[in-house]
Amino acid sequence: EAGVVQSPRYKIIEKKQPVAFWCNPISGHNTLYWYLQNLGQGPELLIRYENEEAVDDSQLPKDRFSAERLKGVDSTLKIQPAELGDSAVYLCASSLGADYSNEQFFGPGTRLTVL
Amino acid sequence: QQPVQSPQAVILREGEDAVINCSSSKALYSVHWYRQKHGEAPVFLMILLKGGEQMRHEKISASFNEKKQQSSLYLTASQLSYSGTYFCGTEMGLGNTPLVFGKGTRLSVIA
Repeated sequence: EAGVVQSPRYKIIEKKQPVAFWCNPISGHNTLYWYLQNLGQGPELLIRYENEEAVDDSQLPKDRFSAERLKGVDSTLKIQPAELGDSAVYLCASSLGADYSNEQFFGPGTRLTVL
Repeated sequence: QQPVQSPQAVILREGEDAVINCSSSKALYSVHWYRQKHGEAPVFLMILLKGGEQMRHEKISASFNEKKQQSSLYLTASQLSYSGTYFCGTEMGLGNTPLVFGKGTRLSVIA
């Protein structure tokens, strides 16, 4: 069974530039999460989707971050414009169940460096 | 409220045992444990639910003390493959709340 796929794995951009990350969850997983992980920290939730619907986006900085999950499968996370403080690893995860008490399967992440 | 993990780091020789603790200042519904190797994705180990039993994953087990609002991860007869950073993620209150992860415990197993 294929795991969660993310691309790109690495991205280097200059500040004020836009950037987008893509995630393909495990087939059949209706729940998709985007996390941010800073160095030496645990993952922090940005947004959770149930199918196409964003059911928890309270942690997403909406002034510069946006996300979408068209057709309830793949998802894209965008930052526009990027700031120096956005440098981090962006993790995508998916789960079979519809609440947080379920095993989450993480992708390898996209390491973003903002110069 | 971020859970507090202890110790921050530990070095073991193969075959030794270790305990990693995760404490919260708020009532917990569940505690999730993940292991992350350098540059890789976090990998699920186990979930402990309120009122549930102690869980086990190979030679790794965990307990959940609801009254003390804490969980402990027990690594028995450690193997080189156990090296990595262990994170606890806590789900608070009545459940269905986002996991809040601790800062992690870095475990290094040496031969």
